[in-house]
Amino acid sequence: DAKTTQPPSMDCAEGRAANLPCNHSTISGNEYVYWYRQIHSQGPQYIIHGLKNNETNEMASLIITEDRKSSTLILPHATLRDTAVYYCIVRGYTYYGNNRLAFGKGNQVVVIP
Amino acid sequence: DTGVSQDPRHKITKRGQNVTFRCDPISEHNRLYWYRQTLGQGPEFLTYFQNEAQLEKSRLLSDRFSAERPKGSFSTLEIQRTEQGDSAMYLCASSAPGTGRPETQYFGPGTRLLVL
Repeated sequence: DAKTTQPPSMDCAEGRAANLPCNHSTISGNEYVYWYRQIHSQGPQYIIHGLKNNETNEMASLIITEDRKSSTLILPHATLRDTAVYYCIVRGYTYYGNNRLAFGKGNQVVVIP
Repeated sequence: DTGVSQDPRHKITKRGQNVTFRCDPISEHNRLYWYRQTLGQGPEFLTYFQNEAQLEKSRLLSDRFSAERPKGSFSTLEIQRTEQGDSAMYLCASSAPGTGRPETQYFGPGTRLLVL
């Protein structure tokens, strides 16, 4: 699986959009971009994933650049409950294989009132 | 609640004791993963099951660790002769295989182990 690079930490203002960047310059054609977050002392929570098209769900939007070398997770209206470590993970697909998640250290996002 | 559950949520034990953790996956999820997370790090893969078969184990899983999923439903992770370095959060995730794309893993709340 391709390696990802995220800032170690960032602050966001409550009520504003939070844009979380992720670089994955070595991503290959069949690899997906997944985002999870982990609120303190809880298990990771799935947010969203995408291959090449932009994706949106009730939690967030995922914008993937045309060359797929980077992506941005957008939390449209950050709240204090969005304070968490956010993980950007690139993973390939094997139906019969081990689809483990390779977490890095993530991006500690703090939403400030 | 139909999510992944883990028991216990917290465990304190003395060095040298054995501990066992349980994970109940989402119903009908045939894949089950165990991860370990130490302070300040992201979760690291330990092992995974497809139904009752344990298909892969990480090098992190020493001989003191054993995992089972006897009927393809719940799973247990046992650590024998615990060491202080085993102190960590143990996370379980389950998934159903996707068709043509990676499946989404859903995590439980974790079991936090402290070895004194």
